[in-house]
Amino acid sequence: GAGVSQSPSNKVTEKGKDVELRCDPISGHTALYWYRQSLGQGLEFLIYFQGNSAPDKSGLPSDRFSAERTGGSVSTLTIQRTQQEDSAVYLCASSLAGGGNIQYFGAGTRLSVL
Amino acid sequence: DQQVKQNSPSLSVQEGRISILNCDYTNSMFDYFLWYKKYPAEGPTFLISISSIKDKNEDGRFTVFLNKSAKHLSLHIVPSQPGDSAVYFCAAGDSGTYKYIFGTGTRLKVLA
Repeated sequence: GAGVSQSPSNKVTEKGKDVELRCDPISGHTALYWYRQSLGQGLEFLIYFQGNSAPDKSGLPSDRFSAERTGGSVSTLTIQRTQQEDSAVYLCASSLAGGGNIQYFGAGTRLSVL
Repeated sequence: DQQVKQNSPSLSVQEGRISILNCDYTNSMFDYFLWYKKYPAEGPTFLISISSIKDKNEDGRFTVFLNKSAKHLSLHIVPSQPGDSAVYFCAAGDSGTYKYIFGTGTRLKVLA
């Protein structure tokens, strides 16, 4: 497709389970971002990938969160031992490069931890 | 501590009138500012941007104003249309890096 694709669109899980969220960026975009939007909050930066450089993980809220980007394209955000406070919409964005380039967002994955 | 604030969570405007959405930031290092629009169940879409070397940028019905001394930016939509009803996020950052800080959003409702 032409845009950023995220799957699943909705995920309901039980507290303590692991979840994986997937992001397919726009073809040719070297930069990829993950954000989280909790209820009533703005978009919270989680992690940034740029080409083959080491990712900026400074926004990950705890060591239960991790992300990888394979082959410079698809990215997976993994949350281990989910907690209720992890419930949020997780948004992925990609851009041609970092620094001042427009980010194009996917529709997000709504995660509900029961 | 919120570095980017949108103090109005919601705004209602009559169709045809002007909508003004406000955003304040605290970090004087920020030199690039963006507005995104978000419809329900969709990701944010880019609307308009401005760099700190300008104080105004216009694109059709949308104009962004930047007041650096006040650390304030605003988005004007004229004339407002029902299809403009959405949540609007402002974002600010240092163009030398890739991190943007987003506000909490303002829900705009344009009444027909």
